[in-house]
Amino acid sequence: NAGVTQTPKFQVLKTGQSMTLQCAQDMNHNSMYWYRQDPGMGLRLIYYSASEGTTDKGEVPNGYNVSRLNKREFSLRLESAAPSQTSVYFCASSTTGTVYNEQFFGPGTRLTVL
Amino acid sequence: AQSVTQLGSHVSVSEGALVLLRCNYSSSVPPYLFWYVQYPNQGLQLLLKYTSAATLVKGINGFEAEFKKSETSFHLTKPSAHMSDAAEYFCAVIVGYNKLIFGAGTRLAVHP
Repeated sequence: NAGVTQTPKFQVLKTGQSMTLQCAQDMNHNSMYWYRQDPGMGLRLIYYSASEGTTDKGEVPNGYNVSRLNKREFSLRLESAAPSQTSVYFCASSTTGTVYNEQFFGPGTRLTVL
Repeated sequence: AQSVTQLGSHVSVSEGALVLLRCNYSSSVPPYLFWYVQYPNQGLQLLLKYTSAATLVKGINGFEAEFKKSETSFHLTKPSAHMSDAAEYFCAVIVGYNKLIFGAGTRLAVHP
């Protein structure tokens, strides 16, 4: 099993450009998450999807949109990138059944917006 | 609102020394707490979690953490540091259904 995979690994954008970060998991998990990691701030939840067909905002959703394409895939879109969105983005997934299921993380996408 | 605070953004220890990484939580309800580790250029990996079954929780790689309600703490310890423990460590608390709130992280350096 590959676990959680993310593409691309690195990306450089100019201000105003758009892009989509892709995430897929092969663990048959119901829930998926997008986080951003910034120095000194830990990880902050952008959006999550508790199950296929549902998405909800997290702590920092402004400037982002998401799509839960199917049970395996959860994409994050930046419509008009800004330098403040320079960050490392992590996708994660988890099972359901309890409120404290372990989240499994992908390797991350390092995004720079110039 | 539930939150966690990690004291010390950087901790440095000698190989073989005790590792102590501090985490305090704020919660009006019994919390579910986690420690994750991030090795350089990798995603996060679960070390251990507290789900109220036992106050002393043992995790992978010889780490353990003790939940102390009176001190609102969930500090991470390891009796003897190894060079391979050098990484960034994150404390986190569950908010709502399976949503994690992370602390700012503590970078652990281990020197010979």
